[in-house]
Amino acid sequence: NAGVMQNPRHLVRRRGQEARLRCSPMKGHSHVYWYRQLPEEGLKFMVYLQKENIIDESGMPKERFSAEFPKEGPSILRIQQVVRGDSAAYFCASSPGLPTDTQYFGPGTRLTVL
Amino acid sequence: AQSVTQLDSQVPVFEEAPVELRCNYSSSVSVYLFWYVQYPNQGLQLLLKYLSGSTLVKGINGFEAEFNKSQTSFHLRKPSVHISDTAEYFCAVTLSRGSGNQFYFGTGTSLTVIP
Repeated sequence: NAGVMQNPRHLVRRRGQEARLRCSPMKGHSHVYWYRQLPEEGLKFMVYLQKENIIDESGMPKERFSAEFPKEGPSILRIQQVVRGDSAAYFCASSPGLPTDTQYFGPGTRLTVL
Repeated sequence: AQSVTQLDSQVPVFEEAPVELRCNYSSSVSVYLFWYVQYPNQGLQLLLKYLSGSTLVKGINGFEAEFNKSQTSFHLRKPSVHISDTAEYFCAVTLSRGSGNQFYFGTGTSLTVIP
């Protein structure tokens, strides 16, 4: 049973480019969560999605960031026109969907903006 | 308002000594409490969680945590640490409200076990 998959593991972008981060949840999990981890900070919740539906995006910056979880395929976190401050580790987690469920985390994508 | 506070950012401890990592939460609604561990260059994995029932929760790798409602705490403990316990530890809270669930993580505690 494969765990949560994230790719790429490392992503380098120049300022102004777009970054696309992918997350494949564990088999049987219908809920996906995205978190950002900045140096010296904890995990910050960004967005919570179910298939074809954004449940809570209260942690997402209002501009340049978007997320989707289509009916088929992985969840995508998209950052347009990246800036240096976007450099961070982005983690995806998945769960069956109840608040009592454990979230299973992927290995993360480390984004570096030059 | 900060929903999860981890008071210690770094905790050095000698091998085979006991350790306590502190976590306090702030909420008056239904909460579910979790401790996760992150080894270098890896994602987080669950150590233990409190949902209801017995306030003492046992997890993997010999860790345990006690839910204290009056002190709004969920401290993590291990009676004797091993070198392999060196990692980052995160306390997390899921708040279950009528409008939906919200997820908060603490800033993490870096545990370093000294030989």
